[in-house]
Amino acid sequence: NAGVTQTPKFRVLKTGQSMTLLCAQDMNHEYMYWYRQDPGMGLRLIHYSVGEGTTAKGEVPDGYNVSRLKKQNFLLGLESAAPSQTSVYFCASSVPGTPGYTFGSGTRLTVV
Amino acid sequence: EDKVVQSPLSLVVHEGDTVTLNCSYEVTNFRSLLWYKQEKKAPTFLFMLTSSGIEKKSGRLSSILDKKELFSILNITATQTGDSAIYLCAVEGKGGSEKLVFGKGMKLTVNP
Repeated sequence: NAGVTQTPKFRVLKTGQSMTLLCAQDMNHEYMYWYRQDPGMGLRLIHYSVGEGTTAKGEVPDGYNVSRLKKQNFLLGLESAAPSQTSVYFCASSVPGTPGYTFGSGTRLTVV
Repeated sequence: EDKVVQSPLSLVVHEGDTVTLNCSYEVTNFRSLLWYKQEKKAPTFLFMLTSSGIEKKSGRLSSILDKKELFSILNITATQTGDSAIYLCAVEGKGGSEKLVFGKGMKLTVNP
């Protein structure tokens, strides 16, 4: 039972490059989320989705785009990476009415 | 804007000590408060609290919520080195998406 899988686990980008982070869950969860975690800042919500084909902005959406074309996948895109986007990115999923998220193991992204 | 404040932000104790972690919050239409433990990678769910005064307990960990004063505490008794982690508090407002607002986290170090 894989749960929530994030790929890649590590990545180094140059400023201005683009990339896509993939989150896949095999639990048939309806809701999915992308958070970033920076030292001393806790987890901050970037974008989220309440179902296939729907997305919404969170607290810190600028510089990111997302898509949820299939229920099990939630993609986070960086069109033109900036050093300020250096962070650890966590994907999570949940079922309406069930406490707690299931988190992926994270992607450590460094933008140089 | 929903807000979660944790205190202290870091704590160093010796094995066997008891620790109390504090979490205060401001949230529109409160639904629940959650505690997570984060070791090296993804946060893992500890407790969800929705009602005032009802203690949730799991082994040496316990937590309680005060909805009137808008805070929660997480107690850890007889601490062990394995309790060393970042402890995250999060709140959920009513809105249908179950998105969480996290505090900055509290880093607990338990020394032998």
